[in-house]
Amino acid sequence: NFMLTQSQSVSESPGKTVTISCTGSSGSIASNYVQWYQQRPGSAPTTVIFEDNQRPSGVPDRFSGSIDNSSNSASLTISGLKTEDEADYYCQSYDSSNPHWVFGGGTKLTVL
Amino acid sequence: QVQLVESGGGVVQPGRSLRLSCAASGFTFSSYGMHWVRQAPGRGLEWVAFISYDGSKKYYADSVKGRFTISRDNSKNTIWLQMNSLRAEDTAVYYCAKGSTGGNFDYWGQGTLVTVSS
Repeated sequence: NFMLTQSQSVSESPGKTVTISCTGSSGSIASNYVQWYQQRPGSAPTTVIFEDNQRPSGVPDRFSGSIDNSSNSASLTISGLKTEDEADYYCQSYDSSNPHWVFGGGTKLTVL
Repeated sequence: QVQLVESGGGVVQPGRSLRLSCAASGFTFSSYGMHWVRQAPGRGLEWVAFISYDGSKKYYADSVKGRFTISRDNSKNTIWLQMNSLRAEDTAVYYCAKGSTGGNFDYWGQGTLVTVSS
C-alpha cells in the first residue's frame, strides 16, 4: 500500500523560511497530485496547496509547493514565517492502484 | 458559500452502531464525490470512505471495510456513514469533505465526535 512519510515536527523563527517534506513509499509521487492541508488546534483542516503547487484563493503566496522526482518527495515551503502559521501540516495524495486517499502523518510546525 | 454540516456523533458502546450525517449546501452536490475522513484524539488524519457523485462507486479504508457503509441522497444534498460493529479504535472526530477533480478535499465540515466506550 502506498504511504506518505513526514517528519514529526519542525521549528523556525518568525520571518524565516521552512520546508516540510513528504516522501512517497513506492512508485512515483508525481503519478498523482499532492495536496497540503493546514490544521490549527480545534479546527478542521484547510487546503494551502492543491495539485502539487496551486494555491487556493486567500492563501498567501508565502506558501508554495513542489515535487522532487529524484527523491520521490513533495515539499511545502513557507517563507516569511508568521506566528499564525503555527499548525499541523498534512500532505495527501491518491493511491490509484487500490483506490484509496492517503495522508502523511503530519508535521507540527512551531514558530518561535 | 460551501457548507458541510456533520451530525450524529456521540458516545456508543463497543459492538453497537451509529449513523453520521453530512448536510451540504452552496454547490452542485450531485456533481461531486464526497468523503469521510477521521482523526483520533491527538493523532493524524485518516481517510475513511468515498462515494462518487452518483453513488455508483464506493471505496473504503481497510480499517473500516465490511463494517462501515457510505451512502448519499442527491435530492437531500446529504451523505451518511453507517458505522456498525464499532470498536474503541474508531473513536475520532469524523469530518465530511467535498472531493474535487484533482483528488483533494477542497472543503471540510467542522466534524462530529464519535466516542466508542463501555
